[in-house]
Amino acid sequence: KQEVTQIPAALSVPEGENLVLNCSFTDSAIYNLQWFRQDPGKGLTSLLLIQSSQREQTSGRLNASLDKSSGRSTLYIAASQPGDSATYLCAVQAGGYQKVTFGTGTKLQVIP
Amino acid sequence: NAGVTQTPKFRVLKTGQSMTLLCAQDMNHEYMYWYRQDPGMGLRLIHYSVGEGTTAKGEVPDGYNVSRLKKQNFLLGLESAAPSQTSVYFCASSTPGLQMETQYFGPGTRLLVL
Repeated sequence: KQEVTQIPAALSVPEGENLVLNCSFTDSAIYNLQWFRQDPGKGLTSLLLIQSSQREQTSGRLNASLDKSSGRSTLYIAASQPGDSATYLCAVQAGGYQKVTFGTGTKLQVIP
Repeated sequence: NAGVTQTPKFRVLKTGQSMTLLCAQDMNHEYMYWYRQDPGMGLRLIHYSVGEGTTAKGEVPDGYNVSRLKKQNFLLGLESAAPSQTSVYFCASSTPGLQMETQYFGPGTRLLVL
């Protein structure tokens, strides 16, 4: 059974700092991996999707990498801002649409 | 374009009561999903649908039923609510494809079962 782990569970950083969020998964036979952002009381918003054949994806200040062989992905946030404060979740797909496994998330707080 | 909407936003039920959660999407997506999110656990798939008139079980389907009578709507029913069903429920939709496309999520329904 696929297991997705995100460490740390919570992270607090000063504004302007570059940071890395980690996601690890136990079954490397995945189709793709996606990073989401969740704001309190809100649904999930997709940030980046990395196909299994890709190594990384970039969107603005965000960069996500994927290393299937080691079962790891990182989300790099450059020059963090208070507006980046949210919970970040990763999800991996290993099969059909019902085979999506979510991590428990990292709650990020960026302090002004 | 409202995206994915969920009704109600919050509900309190007593054990044994029934209710229906409504999910609606206006993006003409074929696929729709119901998840629950509990503290310390990732989102878990309850049921999903790959098209109008079709439904299938996900990871945690017990105690729930679903219907997809119209393409844009996906209903989640609790026939006899239990305290273990206290959770935040999210609906999502996506387009079909060989690999997972972006899922669009609704804002969630917070359910408290006493």
